[in-house]
Amino acid sequence: DAGITQSPRHKVTETGTPVTLRCHQTENHRYMYWYRQDPGHGLRLIHYSYGVKDTDKGEVSDGYSVSRSKTEDFLLTLESATSSQTSVYFCASQRGRAGDTQYFGPGTRLTVL
Amino acid sequence: AQSVTQPDIHITVSEGASLELRCNYSYGATPYLFWYVQSPGQGLQLLLKYFSGDTLVQGIKGFEAEFKRSQSSFNLRKPSVHWSDAAEYFCAVGAYSGAGSYQLTFGKGTKLSVIP
Repeated sequence: DAGITQSPRHKVTETGTPVTLRCHQTENHRYMYWYRQDPGHGLRLIHYSYGVKDTDKGEVSDGYSVSRSKTEDFLLTLESATSSQTSVYFCASQRGRAGDTQYFGPGTRLTVL
Repeated sequence: AQSVTQPDIHITVSEGASLELRCNYSYGATPYLFWYVQSPGQGLQLLLKYFSGDTLVQGIKGFEAEFKRSQSSFNLRKPSVHWSDAAEYFCAVGAYSGAGSYQLTFGKGTKLSVIP
């Protein structure tokens, strides 16, 4: 499996505070993705990156921003966390070609009180 | 835009019984199709994928899936379920977005429970 790590693995924060989640991959994959997983909704794409400094919005991007300054790191920021952003967040990476396997990290459980 | 439907939210089978999980997709061109499995508290692991060639694909852990273009389906099967197969299963379709970048769209998942 690809080496994808996420940090932190668990976080509890309060409404209105900024939060940054980190995804790190060691496979030199071109594509990286952030998803959120909520009961009854499956995985929904928040943002993705198709190269360093190249990012685009996914299905549920409102309230989130991302940055990718290095191939291996993809950061997800909640500028002002809300209770509706309580979720499990997964990062994934993919080498590049359509049809390539997308590898997932272990997830970050975020609770916004 | 592409979409995926998994009609069954929860399925319960007895250990040793056969299994079929349904997946229907919507996409205008030849799709890239995937099945992932997620054990409790874990990330997603790829079971198998299809994008061309033989419409019956074999995956890990004894799973297989059949692509049927006429039915827009990609159902996952296993002839004999083991207790360790209890997990949530996600079907996904890969496609290029309007911006020209590639992404996966997931179904909402089917949770599999196995009775000993």
